[in-house]
Amino acid sequence: GENVEQHPSTLSVQEGDSAVIKCTYSDSASNYFPWYKQELGKGPQLIIDIRSNVGEKKDQRIAVTLNKTAKHFSLHITETQPEDSAVYFCAENTGNQFYFGTGTSLTVIP
Amino acid sequence: NAGVTQTPKFRILKIGQSMTLQCTQDMNHNYMYWYRQDPGMGLKLIYYSVGAGITDKGEVPNGYNVSRSTTEDFPLRLELAAPSQTSVYFCAGWGAGELFFGEGSRLTVL
Repeated sequence: GENVEQHPSTLSVQEGDSAVIKCTYSDSASNYFPWYKQELGKGPQLIIDIRSNVGEKKDQRIAVTLNKTAKHFSLHITETQPEDSAVYFCAENTGNQFYFGTGTSLTVIP
Repeated sequence: NAGVTQTPKFRILKIGQSMTLQCTQDMNHNYMYWYRQDPGMGLKLIYYSVGAGITDKGEVPNGYNVSRSTTEDFPLRLELAAPSQTSVYFCAGWGAGELFFGEGSRLTVL
C-alpha cells in the first residue's frame, strides 16, 4: 500500500474548463480511495471518496472514477471556478493506514 | 466540536533542541495519525495509534516518538531536532469513514 503515484503535479485551466487528476496504486487489497483538497495554510479536507465496490461517484461538479483492474482512479472537476484553485491529494486506504499521492497544484485562471 | 486541534502553529528550533507538538481531538476517534508534509512529497506517515495505549510506526518514524495516554491526546515528540525535520506536521483522526486533519504545525530547525 505504500506506492501511490499522482499526475500531473501542476495543472492550469481556464475558468469553466474541466480538470482531471489521475492516481495509480499498487496494493490490490486497497478498498477505499479518498480525495483531499488543501488550501494554502490549511489542513487537507475530504472532498469525495470512493470504495472498491463502486466504479464511479459524483457530487455536483466533482466526480471520481475507479478502475480496480488497472489499479487507477481519477478526480474530475467540471465547470472549474477560481475557488477550486488548491492542492489536491489522492489517497488509498489499506487496513489502518492511508497512503497519499504527491499532490497536484491546480490553478483556475479567471 | 473543535475537531482536531494542533499547537503550536509555528515554531523555530535550534539543532539538538527538543519539543512536543500537541494534538487533541474531541470527536472520540480511536485512530489517530501524525504526518509530515514536504514540498512535492505529499504526506508521509510518521506514527499512528489505534487507541489509547497503542501506537505503531509509520513510514518515517526515525527521530520521533509518540504517546497515547488518552483517546483525546496524541502528542508527537522530537528529542534531538535536526534540519531534516523542518516540515509541516499534520495530526489527523479517523472516524465516520473520514480522515479529519488539524490545521498543521510548521516547524523550522536551524
